[in-house]
Amino acid sequence: KAGVTQTPRYLIKTRGQQVTLSCSPISGHRSVSWYQQTPGQGLQFLFEYFSETQRNKGNFPGRFSGRQFSNSRSEMNVSTLELGDSALYLCASSPKRGTSDTDTQYFGPGTRLTVL
Amino acid sequence: AQKVTQAQTEISVVEKEDVTLDCVYETRDTTYYLFWYKQPPSGELVFLIRRNSFDEQNEISGRYSWNFQKSTSSFNFTITASQVVDSAVYFCALSGPGGTSYGKLTFGQGTILTVHP
Repeated sequence: KAGVTQTPRYLIKTRGQQVTLSCSPISGHRSVSWYQQTPGQGLQFLFEYFSETQRNKGNFPGRFSGRQFSNSRSEMNVSTLELGDSALYLCASSPKRGTSDTDTQYFGPGTRLTVL
Repeated sequence: AQKVTQAQTEISVVEKEDVTLDCVYETRDTTYYLFWYKQPPSGELVFLIRRNSFDEQNEISGRYSWNFQKSTSSFNFTITASQVVDSAVYFCALSGPGGTSYGKLTFGQGTILTVHP
């Protein structure tokens, strides 16, 4: 089974621009979570999508948004980029067999975003 | 609020040494889940183990073993006879049962393990 894929792998943008990152989950997985990893703040949860609905959101400004499509693929968007948005953005998918249990998350290779 | 603390920022060992990575967690949930992930230089987080709060059995997988102690809120990870390929950043993570924890892992700051030949 193919793992989680993320595109692009590397991205360079300038302040004020916007960016869209894509994540394709493992086949059959229905939940997608996004994380931001920086040297200063570590790994921080951005949001989670299940069946095209955002079910949970971390403590990030509204410039960070996402969506999930009917095939479970997900995108996240960052508008009006700031220097501090430079980070590794990781996507993870899980099966979500049932809502009463927490499934294991499997991560993609990440997108390295550099904001100049 | 959930919190994970990995006290060791960096550990350096020589090949074949045993090494233990510490993880202490805080949560008010009675049901919760603990994880360990490995992040090699390539950046991808690799899942190693998951432990449910109601299952305190320790686990061994090859050279890896995990010691879960609810009484001390700890979930430590030991690598026996370390190898150079074990060099990576290791993260301990915590998740709740659902609701406000949907899809959310709370990570520790990570421990950088360097194994020298």
